[in-house]
Amino acid sequence: GQQVMQIPQYQHVQEGEDFTTYCNSSTTLSNIQWYKQRPGGHPVFLIQLVKSGEVKKQKRLTFQFGEAKKNSSLHITATQTTDVGTYFCAGSGGYNKLIFGAGTRLAVHP
Amino acid sequence: NAGVTQTPKFQVLKTGQSMTLQCAQDMNHEYMSWYRQDPGMGLRLIHYSVGAGITDQGEVPNGYNVSRSTTEDFPLRLLSAAPSQTSVYFCASSSLSGYSNQPQHFGDGTRLSIL
Repeated sequence: GQQVMQIPQYQHVQEGEDFTTYCNSSTTLSNIQWYKQRPGGHPVFLIQLVKSGEVKKQKRLTFQFGEAKKNSSLHITATQTTDVGTYFCAGSGGYNKLIFGAGTRLAVHP
Repeated sequence: NAGVTQTPKFQVLKTGQSMTLQCAQDMNHEYMSWYRQDPGMGLRLIHYSVGAGITDQGEVPNGYNVSRSTTEDFPLRLLSAAPSQTSVYFCASSSLSGYSNQPQHFGDGTRLSIL
């Protein structure tokens, strides 16, 4: 079945350093979504990518969808303590069955 | 708008007991789903539904039942609780656009412990 793999599982950075998490699917995706979950909270939608090779930016966050629509990345420039949380990618290859990656937990040290 | 409402927020069960986790949304979303979240495992899809009367299995459906009699409600039933089902359960909903999932709206979760 469809699998979505995400690396790294955990990363800690100094405030001001950059951070990247990667997502890979075993099947071609119709789209990919990214979510952020703060400790003790629920996942909150960040962005959706649909087109092959698409790149979208939200302030210090840059999201990319691979040309083959099987991989994606999230890059945060100059991390801040407010970026702390777990970042998930989620993809749908079949009919609306949305599968999440295991997430990357980001810790930011001031 | 309340969004996605899950009840209860916390529950402790004994092995073998049954219970139903409630999920309701007021956004007229076609798609609803249940995930469980365990440390280091991310969010794993249990069951999902693309509309009233239609349900399907996700990645980890064993031990759980669902039904979708209305657009608004999507309850999750544990038939005979086991300690391995101790987890945080999230319900989510979204609209649908063809074969593409739209952004998911999550409830606050139910923390379930089975002794």
